[in-house]
Amino acid sequence: GQQLNQSPQSMFIQEGEDVSMNCTSSSIFNTWLWYKQDPGEGPVLLIALYKAGELTSNGRLTAQFGITRKDSFLNISASIPSDVGIYFCAGSNYGQNFVFGPGTRLSVLP
Amino acid sequence: NAGVMQNPRHLVRRRGQEARLRCSPMKGHSHVYWYRQLPEEGLKFMVYLQKENIIDESGMPKERFSAEFPKEGPSILRIQQVVRGDSAAYFCASSPIPTSGDGVGTQYFGPGTRLTVL
Repeated sequence: GQQLNQSPQSMFIQEGEDVSMNCTSSSIFNTWLWYKQDPGEGPVLLIALYKAGELTSNGRLTAQFGITRKDSFLNISASIPSDVGIYFCAGSNYGQNFVFGPGTRLSVLP
Repeated sequence: NAGVMQNPRHLVRRRGQEARLRCSPMKGHSHVYWYRQLPEEGLKFMVYLQKENIIDESGMPKERFSAEFPKEGPSILRIQQVVRGDSAAYFCASSPIPTSGDGVGTQYFGPGTRLTVL
């Protein structure tokens, strides 16, 4: 079946640093989604990407839909303590067959 | 506009009992998905439903688990004769109709139900 890989699995950064994480797939998706999950809560949608090559920002977050449609990256600029959490990527095709990556665990040191 | 609602937030059951988890999708959303998450792991797809229809149940165990999304009321994930291995967080997500334009292919999650089997 389809699988997504996320890297890195975990990262420890200093407050104020920029963060970059990515997601790759063995197959094509026409939608890429990035979510953040805090402990004990459900995933919250951060950014949705619908077109190959699309670059979208949401505040300090920027995500891109790879031109091959098999990858996506998420950047966080000037990290702050509340950025701590698990970041999941997900791919889907026409609203069906959602596949999630295993997550990147982000820790921000003051 | 209320988000996806799940209840209960926490559920404790003894082995052999039944667990019923409820999910009300966002207003205007007609598609519901259920996922399971074990501690320190990602989300595993279980089942995808429309009103009165199961679209894809490939991720759901064949025995003891069932899901429905009736014409009226919330979607229900039912686990019969629970075992300790069923302990997990169960998340529901909803999405608009796939062909409706904006937001196509986007899911919004509820806060989850944490099931503990004693």
